[in-house]
Amino acid sequence: DQQVKQNSPSLSVQEGRISILNCDYTNSMFDYFLWYKKYPAEGPTFLISISSIKDKNEDGRFTVFLNKSAKHLSLHIVPSQPGDSAVYFCAAFFGNEKLTFGTGTRLTIIP
Amino acid sequence: GAVVSQHPSWVICKSGTSVKIECRSLDFQATTMFWYRQFPKQSLMLMATSNEGSKATYEQGVEKDKFLINHASLTLSTLTVTSAHPEDSSFYICSARDPAGQNTEAFFGQGTRLTVV
Repeated sequence: DQQVKQNSPSLSVQEGRISILNCDYTNSMFDYFLWYKKYPAEGPTFLISISSIKDKNEDGRFTVFLNKSAKHLSLHIVPSQPGDSAVYFCAAFFGNEKLTFGTGTRLTIIP
Repeated sequence: GAVVSQHPSWVICKSGTSVKIECRSLDFQATTMFWYRQFPKQSLMLMATSNEGSKATYEQGVEKDKFLINHASLTLSTLTVTSAHPEDSSFYICSARDPAGQNTEAFFGQGTRLTVV
């Protein structure tokens, strides 16, 4: 049972435009959500997170939106840069439970 | 921010041998660390939760006798792949959360690329 889903395996965006990565979850107990970026042969690096008590969190070019009623979150990157090309994973957890990851979306920024 | 260091970053071993991967939290104490495995073009799959001073908790389908986990101190967890086979070739990643930190994100090691020949 995939509790965290990223339905788009890949996404291509023109440099300078907005990249929107989506994530859906099924477990209503999740109360903390995170986005990670991963380059090939490297460990994931943390990007941004959001608590379930919020619906938006912004950090520089990255903004995460959470829609609890729809069990949906999204990551907006604007403006997109070539260095943003990577695989992005959303993840969720509650309490001290382990992180549950989505399947990832490969983002390619076209110069 | 908190750092998790993983070693080695890559290793090639012969089939039937054992390989040990280390995961260290460099500036915080981690009572719990997590070990993940990633197959090409797939998500991170949790293998086991490593608990300091007690037995690891393995996810369903993960052979505990094959993937030995030892969490002997608050800053070190090790994963030993015993009697490795080519199908064990994968990218292994550890992570830990700083229980005393303000942020609750998990910090990840650099990952270990294991190739069994």
